[in-house]
Amino acid sequence: GAGVSQSPSNKVTEKGKDVELRCDPISGHTALYWYRQSLGQGLEFLIYFQGNSAPDKSGLPSDRFSAERTGGSVSTLTIQRTQQEDSAVYLCASSLGFDLAKNIQYFGAGTRLSVL
Amino acid sequence: GENVEQHPSTLSVQEGDSAVIKCTYSDSASNYFPWYKQELGKGPQLIIDIRSNVGEKKDQRIAVTLNKTAKHFSLHITETQPEDSAVYFCAALSGSARQLTFGSGTQLTVLP
Repeated sequence: GAGVSQSPSNKVTEKGKDVELRCDPISGHTALYWYRQSLGQGLEFLIYFQGNSAPDKSGLPSDRFSAERTGGSVSTLTIQRTQQEDSAVYLCASSLGFDLAKNIQYFGAGTRLSVL
Repeated sequence: GENVEQHPSTLSVQEGDSAVIKCTYSDSASNYFPWYKQELGKGPQLIIDIRSNVGEKKDQRIAVTLNKTAKHFSLHITETQPEDSAVYFCAALSGSARQLTFGSGTQLTVLP
């Protein structure tokens, strides 16, 4: 596809369940980012992948959150034992290179997660 | 780490008027400042950016100004149109960081 694709677009789950969110970046983009956007808040950085380097996990809020990027392309964000405070829009973005001052960051439309 | 404050959180203007959104940052090493527009149901999209060696940049009806001494930057939209209605985010990239720090967003409503 032409842009960053995220699925599902909406996810409703029960407290305590695990969820997986998928991101398909723009082909050829080496950098991939996950953000969380809570209602009325800015974008909170979660995790960053750059090529084959170890990911920057410094933004993950707890050990219930994890992400992987297989084959340098598709990424999956997993939230285990979901809590109500995990309800938010999860955005994925990709860029051609890691230097964001020189490479535009393109965002997907996000996955709206609702934990009941 | 970097901290970015954005004001106002909501802004309503009449069509044709100007809109100004302001951001401040904390890390004097930050050197790149993009602005994103997020329409309902979509991801943020880059609309304009400015680097620390420039004081002002314009692109048609939008402009961004940067005051490095005061550590603040602003987005200016002139001759606003209904399609400008969206949430606008400012962001800052510090020299050593690999990710942007975003402001909390401004909901701009342009009234016809």
